[in-house]
Amino acid sequence: NAGVTQTPKFRVLKTGQSMTLLCAQDMNHEYMYWYRQDPGMGLRLIHYSVGEGTTAKGEVPDGYNVSRLKKQNFLLGLESAAPSQTSVYFCASSPTDFMRYFGPGTRLTVT
Amino acid sequence: RKEVEQDPGPFNVPEGATVAFNCTYSNSASQSFFWYRQDCRKEPKLLMSVYSSGNEDGRFTAQLNRASQYISLLIRDSKLSDSATYLCVVKPGAGSYQLTFGKGTKLSVIP
Repeated sequence: NAGVTQTPKFRVLKTGQSMTLLCAQDMNHEYMYWYRQDPGMGLRLIHYSVGEGTTAKGEVPDGYNVSRLKKQNFLLGLESAAPSQTSVYFCASSPTDFMRYFGPGTRLTVT
Repeated sequence: RKEVEQDPGPFNVPEGATVAFNCTYSNSASQSFFWYRQDCRKEPKLLMSVYSSGNEDGRFTAQLNRASQYISLLIRDSKLSDSATYLCVVKPGAGSYQLTFGKGTKLSVIP
């Protein structure tokens, strides 16, 4: 099993550009999450999903959109990137509402 | 008072030492508690859950004090491989899908 994978691992964007981060899990987990981690801050929840076709806002959802068309995939979109979105993005999945299996992260820089 | 507070460290300890981390939480209704470990530039990984009666996993002991709203992690006989950042994590309550992550305590074990 690959567990949780994220694509891409690194990306540099210019302000105003758009991109999609892909998260995939092969553990048949119902729950999936997108977090961001910034220096001096704890992990903060952006959006989450409790099952295929469902999404919900987390703590810091502004500027992001998500989709969960297939159970194994959870996409995070940035429609118009801003420097404040420079961060490390972690996807996670879980079989219950408290465990978290994290992916390796995507390092995004917006210039 | 911040939701989950941790001493950021760093804690620099020699191999073989015993080190303890504390974490305080503000929501008295919190139900579940965890310690995660995050290596430099890696994703967080679950280290252990924290139970009301306290629990031990090898060299690691976790304790919960609900009255004082704090959680502790004790590491005995520190190894070089224990060097990492330790994240205190709190689940607010039943029905909540969110976990609140502390900013982490950095541990460096020195030869």
